Amino acid sequence: KNQVEQSPQSLIILEGKNCTLQCNYTVSPFSNLRWYKQDTGRGPVSLTIMTFSENTKSNGRYTATLDADTKQSSLHITASQLSDSASYICVVSAGGSYIPTFGRGTSLIVHP
Amino acid sequence: EAQVTQNPRYLITVTGKKLTVTCSQNMNHEYMSWYRQDPGLGLRQIYYSMNVEVTDKGDVPEGYKVSRKEKRNFPLILESPSPNQTSLYFCASSLRGPGNTIYFGEGSWLTVV
Repeated sequence: KNQVEQSPQSLIILEGKNCTLQCNYTVSPFSNLRWYKQDTGRGPVSLTIMTFSENTKSNGRYTATLDADTKQSSLHITASQLSDSASYICVVSAGGSYIPTFGRGTSLIVHP
Repeated sequence: EAQVTQNPRYLITVTGKKLTVTCSQNMNHEYMSWYRQDPGLGLRQIYYSMNVEVTDKGDVPEGYKVSRKEKRNFPLILESPSPNQTSLYFCASSLRGPGNTIYFGEGSWLTVV
């Protein structure tokens, strides 16, 4: 069964600090992996997409990495801001499937 | 502006009273889908549609129906709502499938009493 596990479940950091969120998956055959940001009460918004051949991709202060061998991805947030407070969801798509596999998300709180 | 619009945003209804949550996208996307989000469980797919008149079950389809008569619209129908369908619902669309960027609506908070 395809699964996506995210850690930590929640994280509290001070404004300006860096943090890293983890995503482990057992989805086969792997097609791509996306990170979404979901503000409280809003719909998720795509941050990055990683395909099999990509190791690193950046979007401003967000940097995603992918290790297809170990089936792990990370999302690194640099110089955190209060607006980074949100849930971050890892989503993995399998080739030939119309049903993506969602992680349960990491809830990030950035304190001033 | 590219968007997915769903209505109503907030609804309180009673057990057994049929309701429909509408969803419309203006991006000419082929793929549309419905999700529910519950605390601690994350997003779970209810139904999806690959194109007009083509729909299929997701992970949690029980108690729901959908239709795709037009490319832009994908309504979610609860024929006889029950309290366990109290949840936050999201409609979403993408160009051809979940491998493309998924654009989510703003969500519909549904409470069944």
